[in-house]
Amino acid sequence: ILNVEQSPQSLHVQEGDSTNFTCSFPSSNFYALHWYRWETAKSPEALFVMTLNGDEKKKGRISATLNTKEGYSYLYIKGSQPEDSATYLCASEYYGGATNKLIFGTGTLLAVQP
Amino acid sequence: DSGVTQTPKHLITATGQRVTLRCSPRSGDLSVYWYQQSLDQGLQFLIQYYNGEERAKGNILERFSAQQFPDLHSELNLSSLELGDSALYFCASSPGAIGDEQFFGPGTRLTVL
Repeated sequence: ILNVEQSPQSLHVQEGDSTNFTCSFPSSNFYALHWYRWETAKSPEALFVMTLNGDEKKKGRISATLNTKEGYSYLYIKGSQPEDSATYLCASEYYGGATNKLIFGTGTLLAVQP
Repeated sequence: DSGVTQTPKHLITATGQRVTLRCSPRSGDLSVYWYQQSLDQGLQFLIQYYNGEERAKGNILERFSAQQFPDLHSELNLSSLELGDSALYFCASSPGAIGDEQFFGPGTRLTVL
């Protein structure tokens, strides 16, 4: 059974703190790793898609890295702001020929206090 | 606005009934994904269609089915509805079959009474 795990489940930080989350996934037949930002009462919003081992992507104060050999990805937020408060989801995609697989983690809930 | 549209926004129905949720992907996107978010649960991937064909399957119940039409819009059919099927159903689209950023629609809120 393919299982994607995210840690921590939740995180409370102060405005200005930098923080990071982990996503662990099985490496076999791995194709891509997705990070999403999901605010309450809104739809998930794609942050990054990464495919290659060692990939690093950055969008403003948010960045992510990927290690496909050991099966993990880190998401970093530098200088957290209250508007960063959301659930951060990761999902891994697996290539299966005619049928692929897409597995989501349960997310990390980030609360940034002013 | 992601460019993905879903109808209806809200749906209230009774147990045992059947409903159809509709999704129109962004212009040019060939993949459509369906997700379910139940109370106290995270996002559950249901199924993906790419250019009319099923491409990936998640935790979709046998009472649920989906299809993607030649114009690339997709429908998710939910039958023999149970109270536990009450959830927010999202549709997302992406250009390719795998490894692309997904753009989510606003969701359809289904309430089964």
